[in-house]
Amino acid sequence: NAGVTQTPKFQVLKTGQSMTLQCAQDMNHEYMSWYRQDPGMGLRLIHYSVGAGITDQGEVPNGYNVSRSTTEDFPLRLLSAAPSQTSVYFCASSAGLIRGAFFGQGTRLTVV
Amino acid sequence: AQTVTQSQPEMSVQEAETVTLSCTYDTSESNYYLFWYKQPPSRQMILVIRQEAYKQQNATENRFSVNFQKAAKSFSLKISDSQLGDTAMYFCARGYGQNFVFGPGTRLSVLP
Repeated sequence: NAGVTQTPKFQVLKTGQSMTLQCAQDMNHEYMSWYRQDPGMGLRLIHYSVGAGITDQGEVPNGYNVSRSTTEDFPLRLLSAAPSQTSVYFCASSAGLIRGAFFGQGTRLTVV
Repeated sequence: AQTVTQSQPEMSVQEAETVTLSCTYDTSESNYYLFWYKQPPSRQMILVIRQEAYKQQNATENRFSVNFQKAAKSFSLKISDSQLGDTAMYFCARGYGQNFVFGPGTRLSVLP
């Protein structure tokens, strides 16, 4: 049982480049979300989805796009990378918060 | 904005001793969920314990227990018989819809 799989685990980008962080879950969860983790700030919500075809913005959505064409996948796109987007990114999925959420291993992104 | 506060950026405890991590939060809702997540150096986010606000009984999971004070909006985590493997960042989180609002974290070091 793979759970939540994120790729890549590490990435270095140059300012202005674009890229997609992949997230896939095999638990048939409706809810998926992306967080970024920065020192002293915990994890902050970027975007989330309550099902295929439905997405919404979280606390820090600027500079990121998402789509949810299938239940399993929820990619996060950086349109034009900036040094302020240097962070660790986590994807999470759940069948409802009462059961807690499953997190991927995280992607450490550095923008130079 | 919904906020979760963890006032102890770093703590240390001797192996086999007991330590308590503090957390306060704000909310205008009467029912909600609270969580403690552990993040070891591997970066994996691991659910430690959860509490439903309408349940007055404090949650317990083996060596981990909480002191939930609803009126004070306080949700502290007690770790008994601390082990070296408990060394990690600990995040307090409140459920918000199907997502989380995280505190900034407490870095716990268990000393041999």
